[in-house]
Amino acid sequence: NAGVTQTPKFQVLKTGQSMTLQCAQDMNHNSMYWYRQDPGMGLRLIYYSASEGTTDKGEVPNGYNVSRLNKREFSLRLESAAPSQTSVYFCASSEARKGYGYTFGSGTRLTVV
Amino acid sequence: AQSVTQLDSQVPVFEEAPVELRCNYSSSVSVYLFWYVQYPNQGLQLLLKYLSGSTLVKGINGFEAEFNKSQTSFHLRKPSVHISDTAEYFCAVGGAQKLVFGQGTRLTINP
Repeated sequence: NAGVTQTPKFQVLKTGQSMTLQCAQDMNHNSMYWYRQDPGMGLRLIYYSASEGTTDKGEVPNGYNVSRLNKREFSLRLESAAPSQTSVYFCASSEARKGYGYTFGSGTRLTVV
Repeated sequence: AQSVTQLDSQVPVFEEAPVELRCNYSSSVSVYLFWYVQYPNQGLQLLLKYLSGSTLVKGINGFEAEFNKSQTSFHLRKPSVHISDTAEYFCAVGGAQKLVFGQGTRLTINP
């Protein structure tokens, strides 16, 4: 059982480049999330999707876009990367009927130079 | 709005000693409370959760937490820690959808 799969695991971008972080879950969860983790700041919500076909902004959405491609997949796009977006990005999914706990992917470590 | 404060950024303890990681929350609605653990270079793993019912919640790896509504706290405890418990621990509060995480507490176990 794979759970939540994120790709890539590592990425280095130059300022101004674009890229898409991929996330897929195989647990039939309705809700999916993108967080970023920075030292001393915990996890901050970027965007989330409560169900297929809906997306909403979280705490730090500026500079990002998302697509809920289907129930399994939720991608995060950086259109023009900036050094401030250097971070570790986590995707998560949850199903309210199963007690609201999140299942996390293993993360993508992104460096923007 | 909901928020979480983890009162200690780092907690060093000796192996086999007890430990308490402190978490206070703020919420204007009914809360669900969680503790997650993150081992080095890994994602977050659910330790335990409080949704309703008994205020003492037992989780994996011998951890437990107590929900205290009057003090708005959800402290995590373990009576005897192992070297393998070295990790970062996150407290989180949520409603029907989103979770809000604290800043994390780094637990270091000294032999």
